[in-house]
Amino acid sequence: QVQLQESGPGLVRPSQTLSLTCTVSGGSVSSGSYYWTWIRQPAGKGLEWIGRIYVTGSTNYNPSLKSRVTISVDTSRNQFSLRLNSVTAADSAVYYCARESAMTGIDHCGQGTLVTVSA
Amino acid sequence: QTVVTQEPSVTVSPGGTVTLTCAPRIGAITSGYYPSWFQQKPGQAPRALIYSTSNKHSWTPARFSGSLLGGKPALTLSGVQPEDEADYYCLLYYGGFWVFGGGTKLTVL
Repeated sequence: QVQLQESGPGLVRPSQTLSLTCTVSGGSVSSGSYYWTWIRQPAGKGLEWIGRIYVTGSTNYNPSLKSRVTISVDTSRNQFSLRLNSVTAADSAVYYCARESAMTGIDHCGQGTLVTVSA
Repeated sequence: QTVVTQEPSVTVSPGGTVTLTCAPRIGAITSGYYPSWFQQKPGQAPRALIYSTSNKHSWTPARFSGSLLGGKPALTLSGVQPEDEADYYCLLYYGGFWVFGGGTKLTVL
């Protein structure tokens, strides 16, 4: 059973860069069957798809965030990462990493990590 | 900006049947949008229920089903249980990126 665990700073200053890592266990980010995905949810609001990466390094991003987002993968550590530049308070949210299967769509999510953007 | 609309809130009685829908601002949805459905309870991560319109994950209870109704993805709960009270989100594929619906708060009362 695959498990995903987010990690990273819980507080980021405005205009700085938010950086999170997702560690995958029970599965491999090198598998050609999956995309590795980031989703976020501001407090009291709905889910927002941020983007995804394939093992080859190919990425897709939410058009509304594309200019500020980078997702990368580290096969040696079985991790993938999110960087979001020039953050504002509107980027405060619970950030989830997830696995997307080519056959069954997004099927597993991590427990999420809260990131607050504040001075 | 791509907007996907869901009913903001729905109330159903225990044992009843309820259908939630999902629609883009303009146009009808086909299976090519690979509609998915997720359940989220307070303080928990989203849990996948349905993929590719009507397919269930191995953990999805039998009372949940997905379909297309009038060009809209739909999630039907038959024989609703108190534990089904949650937020439900649809997810649509727009050829390179995914978009979540705004979510439906389902109350079992």
